[in-house]
Amino acid sequence: SQKIEQNSEALNIQEGKTATLTCNYTNYSPAYLQWYRQDPGRGPVFLLLIRENEKEKRKERLKVTFDTTLKQSLFHITASQPADSATYLCALDFQKLVFGTGTRLLVSP
Amino acid sequence: DAGVTQSPTHLIKTRGQQVTLRCSPKSGHDTVSWYQQALGQGPQFIFQYYEEEERQRGNFPDRFSGHQFPNYSSELNVNALLLGDSALYLCASSLGPPTGGWGNEKLFFGSGTQLSVL
Repeated sequence: SQKIEQNSEALNIQEGKTATLTCNYTNYSPAYLQWYRQDPGRGPVFLLLIRENEKEKRKERLKVTFDTTLKQSLFHITASQPADSATYLCALDFQKLVFGTGTRLLVSP
Repeated sequence: DAGVTQSPTHLIKTRGQQVTLRCSPKSGHDTVSWYQQALGQGPQFIFQYYEEEERQRGNFPDRFSGHQFPNYSSELNVNALLLGDSALYLCASSLGPPTGGWGNEKLFFGSGTQLSVL
């Protein structure tokens, strides 16, 4: 069955640095990959969608890469701020959206 | 423009009981998906409704059932509650079917219903 892996350990970084989160998957070649942000007690919020034929996508301080050979997506937040602290989920298109377990990001001032 | 609304926000039930959760999609959306999120886990897909029919289903038992109404709102029913059903239940809406497949459509989530089974 399809498997999605995100770092279960929290990522702690200092304000102003670039945060890089990883999403690895197996046993499938999804046509799309999405990233969501989730704050405690709230539903996920859509951030970015990238297609299999796109290598990279940017939105303001966010950048997503999609390497279909490595079966990996990287999610970058540049010039990180404490307000970026949240859990970030990747979601893959397996004929329905399937989510990873998410990685918690903590940005300290 | 109202986003996705879910009710109730919190619910406490005992084992064996039945529960109904409700969801109103974002204005203009016609597709509703339900997810279960246990503490510390990612959302797990339960099922998706489009045109009042269940279009996709995840790996959940028949105790989980749903319905979509003509106004696109939806209900999730869980029978014979187990302790393991305690979770945040999320409703997500989208406009479908999207070009290129369901993965090409971003989901708008509600804040969820926190269900505790004692």
